[in-house]
Amino acid sequence: GDSVTQMEGPVTLSEEAFLTINCTYTATGYPSLFWYVQYPGEGLQLLLKATKADDKGSNKGFEATYRKETTSFHLEKGSVQVSDSAVYFCALTMASGSRLTFGEGTQLTVNP
Amino acid sequence: EAQVTQNPRYLITVTGKKLTVTCSQNMNHEYMSWYRQDPGLGLRQIYYSMNVEVTDKGDVPEGYKVSRKEKRNFPLILESPSPNQTSLYFCASQPILTIYNEQFFGPGTRLTVL
Repeated sequence: GDSVTQMEGPVTLSEEAFLTINCTYTATGYPSLFWYVQYPGEGLQLLLKATKADDKGSNKGFEATYRKETTSFHLEKGSVQVSDSAVYFCALTMASGSRLTFGEGTQLTVNP
Repeated sequence: EAQVTQNPRYLITVTGKKLTVTCSQNMNHEYMSWYRQDPGLGLRQIYYSMNVEVTDKGDVPEGYKVSRKEKRNFPLILESPSPNQTSLYFCASQPILTIYNEQFFGPGTRLTVL
């Protein structure tokens, strides 16, 4: 079945450091790919998405590129802030769109 | 304000005592879904609904029931809760079901079954 694998966490960085959170997927077909973010005590909210190969999603300084050849959708940010501390989930959905398949989540802590 | 609301936000109960977690959205979305979040497992889908009176099982439906009598509401029912249903539960909604639309999540319900 379809699956998403995220890099093992948690991740701890200093403010202004470069962030990469790896995400790879397995799917039969051509999924849409998402990054969701969960701030403490809140529900998930969409951070960015890409719906076809080579698309780049971007939002709030975060970027991820849909790489079909490596089945990856790595999340990057050039300079993290304390306010970026959250749990980040990579997810995919297939043609029917009826289900989001999530990765395990990566806890990011940014220290001042 | 467009939102998905859940109640209660926190619940501690005992094994076997029936409970209902409510979910409501004010965005007129056709599609609604329930997920549970467990450490190291991410979120897993329990049930989903494509529209009123149309529901289907997700990945982990055992021990849960749902109903969709109105478009805006999608309650999750645990007829006889067990400790392995201790989890964080999220309701989500989405406009017309396509792979391009994002899902909007509620704030979560933390359930503990003793």
